Amino acid sequence: GQQVMQIPQYQHVQEGEDFTTYCNSSTTLSNIQWYKQRPGGHPVFLIQLVKSGEVKKQKRLTFQFGEAKKNSSLHITATQTTDVGTYFCAAFGTDKLIFGTGTRLQVFP
Amino acid sequence: GAGVSQSPRYKVAKRGQDVALRCDPISGHVSLFWYQQALGQGPEFLTYFQNEAQLDKSGLPSDRFFAERPEGSVSTLKIQRTQQEDSAVYLCASSSTGGSYTEAFFGQGTRLTVV
Repeated sequence: GQQVMQIPQYQHVQEGEDFTTYCNSSTTLSNIQWYKQRPGGHPVFLIQLVKSGEVKKQKRLTFQFGEAKKNSSLHITATQTTDVGTYFCAAFGTDKLIFGTGTRLQVFP
Repeated sequence: GAGVSQSPRYKVAKRGQDVALRCDPISGHVSLFWYQQALGQGPEFLTYFQNEAQLDKSGLPSDRFFAERPEGSVSTLKIQRTQQEDSAVYLCASSSTGGSYTEAFFGQGTRLTVV
């Protein structure tokens, strides 16, 4: 079945450093979504990418969809303590939304 | 309602007990998903409804798990004869359409602890 892997599993950064998480699929994706889950919270939608090679920005966050639509990345510039949480990519398969394994980000002040 | 509502927020069950978890999706939302999230893990897909039709239940771990959405709105996830490995947070999400291009809105989850 469809699998979505993310790397790294964990990332600890100093506040102000950049952070990137990568999402890879074994199959071509129709679209990809990104969610953030704060500790103790529930996943919250960040963005959706649909087109091959698409790049979207939200303030310090940059999202990219690969040309082959099999991978995606999320880059955070100059991390802040409010960025702490787990970032998941998610992809739609047939009648299901599959979540990646997630990257847990810890930011030290 | 304003968002997806799940109840109860916390449930402690004795091993072997049956439990029922409720999800109230955003009004009018067509799609409803159930996920199981173990500590430190990502949400694992359990089942998907489009209105009242259960289109995919391939993620249900065993026949002890059963989900329904009889009128296409509120959904219930039932777990029979709970076991310790069922301990997890159960998340419900809804989205406005039946297609694959809309965001999913999650509830706060029900934390189930089986003792």
